[in-house]
This record gives sequence, C-alpha cells and structure tokens, in this order.
Amino acid sequence: QSALTQPASVSGSPEQSITLSCTGTSSDVGGDNYVSWFQQHPGRAPKLIIYNVRNRPLGVSDRFSGSKSGNTASLTISRLQAEDEADYYCYSYTVRSTFVFGTGTRVTVL
Amino acid sequence: EVQMVESGGGLVQPGGSLRLSCAASGFAFSGYWMYWVRQAPGEGLMWVSRISADGSNAVYADSVKGRFTISRDNAQKTLYLQLNDLRADDTALYYCARDLTISTPIVAYWGQGTLVTVSS
Repeated sequence: QSALTQPASVSGSPEQSITLSCTGTSSDVGGDNYVSWFQQHPGRAPKLIIYNVRNRPLGVSDRFSGSKSGNTASLTISRLQAEDEADYYCYSYTVRSTFVFGTGTRVTVL
Repeated sequence: EVQMVESGGGLVQPGGSLRLSCAASGFAFSGYWMYWVRQAPGEGLMWVSRISADGSNAVYADSVKGRFTISRDNAQKTLYLQLNDLRADDTALYYCARDLTISTPIVAYWGQGTLVTVSS
C-alpha cells in the first residue's frame, strides 16, 4: 500500500491558479472514481473539498476543482487566496477495498 | 450537527496496548461505515482501518494488520480501535471519521483526534 505521489510543495501568487497532482496506479486512482481531496490547516482536522474526482461538498468554494486522467488525479485552485495556504492530500479507494492517501502538498501563497 | 469525539490516547511503552474510543452524535451512527486515520507528528495522513455499518466487516492497512482491531457498539454510538504490540512508529494523532453518505467509500467528517505516543 504505497502512498500516492504528490509534489511536496506548490506556490502561487494571489489570484493565480495552481494545479496539484496525485499519481497512483491502476489499482487505486486509475481503478475507479473514488478519488477525494482534503485541505488541512495547521493544528486542524482535514476538510473534504473534492470527492468522486470532481464533486464539491456543500459549502466548498467553486475555486476548487478536480479532474483525473488515467492514474493521475489533479486539484486546481483558481484565484488563489491567502486562506488557501494549507496542506492538501489526495485519497483513493483501492481494488483491495482499502484506502490510500497521497504524500501531501504544501501550498504557499506568495 | 455531525460530531465525533475521540478519547483514550496517551503515553504507552513499546509492546504495550491502548484502546481508543470515538463517541459519535448528530447522525444515525448505525447506518455508516466508520474509519480510523492517523497522522504522525509533522507527517502526512495514513488510513488505518474501516468497519462496516453493522460491524461484520473490517479492513486494515498492512502496517497494522494483526495488531490493531476496529470494532463498534451501535447502541452506544461508539467506535473503537484496540491497539496492541505498539511500536514507536505508531506514534500519531488518531482520527475517527465517517463516510460522506451511507455505504460510499468517501471519508468526509472527522473528529479532532486523540494522541498516541509510544515511547520508553
């Protein structure tokens, strides 16, 4: 159960767009559409921001969007804001009925 | 309001045991699969275990299989995690979590966590 691969850090200026990647295998990310993304601020519990590849829970800003191509999922944050500075984790259901998180990406707003 | 409150964490020696609890409220606990997820200090998230709504089916991460046991008491709306043969690398904040909707493998709601420290 190797963790999904995410870039360690991504940065951008306010109002810019950034994209985070999440690479797995055909046994997890590429296996079905149960890919989620979480945002975690320091000292806080994770917050679900994208599920089923591209769906947003109620109350989550439409500046967050998700997509997937093959074994790689992506999270795009549009019109970057200071409050978006946090750690982001992808997460996938696997063909073994288990789950795996990504390694995490630290987003910095310049 | 969906709420989960974890308890039972603490300092334990290598090889020791602990039992974590997660008290749930604000939703029909017996209808949802439930999870444990952990986060070592300064590290990323790691899925630990998931249990079916009726408690009859459980899955585990390879690194805890055979040492940890997940269970639940639907009458008491409480989720448990029994941790045995603890190792230093089990040191982490342990979160209890719930599916987004019934029978979907989407972790959505989280507690605030309980800290387990394994050290001599």
